[in-house]
Amino acid sequence: ELKVEQNPLFLSMQEGKNYTIYCNYSTTSDRLYWYRQDPGKSLESLFVLLSNGAVKQEGRLMASLDTKARLSTLHITAAVHDLSATYFCAVDGTGGSQGNLIFGKGTKLSVKP
Amino acid sequence: NAGVTQTPKFRVLKTGQSMTLLCAQDMNHEYMYWYRQDPGMGLRLIHYSVGEGTTAKGEVPDGYNVSRLKKQNFLLGLESAAPSQTSVYFCASSYNPFFVISYEQYFGPGTRLTVT
Repeated sequence: ELKVEQNPLFLSMQEGKNYTIYCNYSTTSDRLYWYRQDPGKSLESLFVLLSNGAVKQEGRLMASLDTKARLSTLHITAAVHDLSATYFCAVDGTGGSQGNLIFGKGTKLSVKP
Repeated sequence: NAGVTQTPKFRVLKTGQSMTLLCAQDMNHEYMYWYRQDPGMGLRLIHYSVGEGTTAKGEVPDGYNVSRLKKQNFLLGLESAAPSQTSVYFCASSYNPFFVISYEQYFGPGTRLTVT
């Protein structure tokens, strides 16, 4: 059974600081997705990582994928309050044949002034 | 291009009542999904469909039924609602066979359901 674990599940950080969210998964996969969810809202796609070594950046967020270690990281640089949200990683659950994604439980990020 | 839409946005049911949630997408996606989201549980897949006329069970299918009569629509039914079905329901879609890059899922705005 494919498992996706994120840590930490809760993260409180100060504005201007850096931090990394980790996403570990239990089976081979070369496709990983990061989503953002604001309170009371839906999930919004942030990054799609499609191969080993893939790195994507947008603004203060950078995501990377190491398929050999079965690990993806979401790095936050110089956090600002607007980044407060819950971040989910998701992995293809069936080798991509049916597009079923297995989601981690999410990391709730709170950025305080 | 509306993306993925869901109706209704909110609903309150009494135990034993039935209802249908409608999901529609205009991206020519083959795959559609229904999830529920509960605090601390992340997203859990209820049912999914890989094409018109097909459906399959996900992680938590009990108490729900689905139908995909048209490619753009995916319906989720609750035949006899229970308080344990109080949740936020999200529909998602993915995979346009003409633009296959990934299986990135696009989510609807959600339906908040309360069963009393």
